[in-house]
Amino acid sequence: GDQVEQSPSALSLHEGTDSALRCNFTTTMRSVQWFRQNSRGSLISLFYLASGTKENGRLKSAFDSKERRYSTLHIRDAQLEDSGTYFCAAEDRGGRALIFGTGTTVSVSP
Amino acid sequence: NSKVIQTPRYLVKGQGQKAKMRCIPEKGHPVVFWYQQNKNNEFKFLINFQNQEVLQQIDMTEKRFSAECPSNSPCSLEIQSSEAGDSALYLCASRGGLGGAETLYFGSGTRLTVL
Repeated sequence: GDQVEQSPSALSLHEGTDSALRCNFTTTMRSVQWFRQNSRGSLISLFYLASGTKENGRLKSAFDSKERRYSTLHIRDAQLEDSGTYFCAAEDRGGRALIFGTGTTVSVSP
Repeated sequence: NSKVIQTPRYLVKGQGQKAKMRCIPEKGHPVVFWYQQNKNNEFKFLINFQNQEVLQQIDMTEKRFSAECPSNSPCSLEIQSSEAGDSALYLCASRGGLGGAETLYFGSGTRLTVL
């Protein structure tokens, strides 16, 4: 079936540094959504993209508008509160349910 | 961020017991999803509804789960006979429509442990 490959699986950052997470899709996707899951299990929606880029504070996400087969999430000037597990989830052109990646665990240290 | 409410937060059951969890979607959201997240961070789509109607469900859900989203009552997902492999975080989500361009909002989940 359709797959969402997320990388890296884990990321250790120092405060103030920048990094990027990526999701590759095995087929063309209609949209992508990025989430951060905290230690209590709550999934917080960060971005929904059907194309292009969106930015919110120190986070920026992009969805490849041409082939629609990858998306990125950039973290700028990492802070301690950015720690958590980040998931991308994509919706294919025919489906109604999101297909999730297996997450990137981000740890930000002083 | 999200106003999806899930109860209970934790659920502990013995094998063979029923396990029922509830979800109140965001007001005005007719589309509800249930997902299972295992300890390896793998998400499995279980079922989705539009208003009270089931749109899609996987084979496991059809055979072993009972789910509904009645009008004016919380949605519910119930495992008829719990198995050890059902231990997971069960997440409910809602959104305003089916046709894309709609952010999916998740509740905080029900963490089920089957002893």
